[in-house]
Amino acid sequence: DTGVSQDPRHKITKRGQNVTFRCDPISEHNRLYWYRQTLGQGPEFLTYFQNEAQLEKSRLLSDRFSAERPKGSFSTLEIQRTEQGDSAMYLCASSSGRQGGDGTGELFFGEGSRLTVL
Amino acid sequence: SQKIEQNSEALNIQEGKTATLTCNYTNYSPAYLQWYRQDPGRGPVFLLLIRENEKEKRKERLKVTFDTTLKQSLFHITASQPADSATYLCALNTNAGKSTFGDGTTLTVKP
Repeated sequence: DTGVSQDPRHKITKRGQNVTFRCDPISEHNRLYWYRQTLGQGPEFLTYFQNEAQLEKSRLLSDRFSAERPKGSFSTLEIQRTEQGDSAMYLCASSSGRQGGDGTGELFFGEGSRLTVL
Repeated sequence: SQKIEQNSEALNIQEGKTATLTCNYTNYSPAYLQWYRQDPGRGPVFLLLIRENEKEKRKERLKVTFDTTLKQSLFHITASQPADSATYLCALNTNAGKSTFGDGTTLTVKP
């Protein structure tokens, strides 16, 4: 399977715990995105990487959220001290984008990691 | 403020008819616009991309139009089938790298 893969697919945690999600993009894609989606809403941008550089981070992303892409391949999204409002689907997407160039074109999404905070 | 609005109501149509979904935006100057399909519990799947200098794009039973004066895109599915039932998302890109999504329109095609 050469698509975007995310792990875990489902995570149930108690309020206050830390969680980490992993995303493996399509191997030749240099751009990687994280989105959050709640029921009835569209995906909401969180952050994106060009190779290992984090180029943009949404103001919606509080200090409890951190994302990394250490070697320009897979990425992790960590949420510290989870709150019930963090319950959502966390989507990862990748695309091929020219460094310093224009928009990325189509996004290839994974199946998402669903987080439930009790 | 920037806003993307899709059909506020869910769309129900009869099999064989043409479904038309709208995407309106304000305070954007998009370089291109995309349409995605999303099934329940799954990630969005790319369908079509149309650039600011293109008026229309087609792919099989799908057609997208893009009017930068009206700030609107229309997405058409001709000869609709029950398998077309899903949520359809439009997304705008301003050459800044990220895609900004609307909240989607849920389409139900009845046999």
